[in-house]
Amino acid sequence: EAQVTQNPRYLITVTGKKLTVTCSQNMNHEYMSWYRQDPGLGLRQIYYSMNVEVTDKGDVPEGYKVSRKEKRNFPLILESPSPNQTSLYFCASSLSAGPGELFFGEGSRLTVL
Amino acid sequence: AQKITQTQPGMFVQEKEAVTLDCTYDTSDPSYGLFWYKQPSSGEMIFLIYQGSYDQQNATEGRYSLNFQKARKSANLVISASQLGDSAMYFCAMMGRASGGSYIPTFGRGTSLIVHP
Repeated sequence: EAQVTQNPRYLITVTGKKLTVTCSQNMNHEYMSWYRQDPGLGLRQIYYSMNVEVTDKGDVPEGYKVSRKEKRNFPLILESPSPNQTSLYFCASSLSAGPGELFFGEGSRLTVL
Repeated sequence: AQKITQTQPGMFVQEKEAVTLDCTYDTSDPSYGLFWYKQPSSGEMIFLIYQGSYDQQNATEGRYSLNFQKARKSANLVISASQLGDSAMYFCAMMGRASGGSYIPTFGRGTSLIVHP
């Protein structure tokens, strides 16, 4: 089944404790991206990747890191999480960097205390 | 710069009636794609419908149709025969070319739809 898989789906952590949210897709998609969703602000792009070893900042990259060492994986790293990073996070991918459908993961709800 | 505007923060509709969710977009590029996603209270993003900028006909998927008016730069979602399960947040999105030539998605802020019995 074609899908984008995120883990963990739910996480409660404390300020400063490094964490990684994994994202994997099995559709051989070139484009992958991370979003955070906050009430009243919609979806905001954190980072995106056009292909392996190519990543770029989105609208809200501060406090986050990403890597794209393999085509299928695009982990989101919070080196030192803070409470303002409490949010719902989505990973998404698409076949190519064209005007095609964006496939979403199921979301990861992160709470930073 | 690309922009998606959803002017209706919330909408109410009676069960079995049709409802239109508004979406306008702004881009100077002739090549783009328009999407609608549904987000129920459980949180996942569910793809509903897609319209390419060069598509001649309005997209339809079951009870969903996209009223694409290119000259007005609008891509409204029409849900016919609303059901209680349609109650959710709905996002309009566009895949358009950024200055570097890559296609970047842009999302609206969403419309919360509540279907009354």
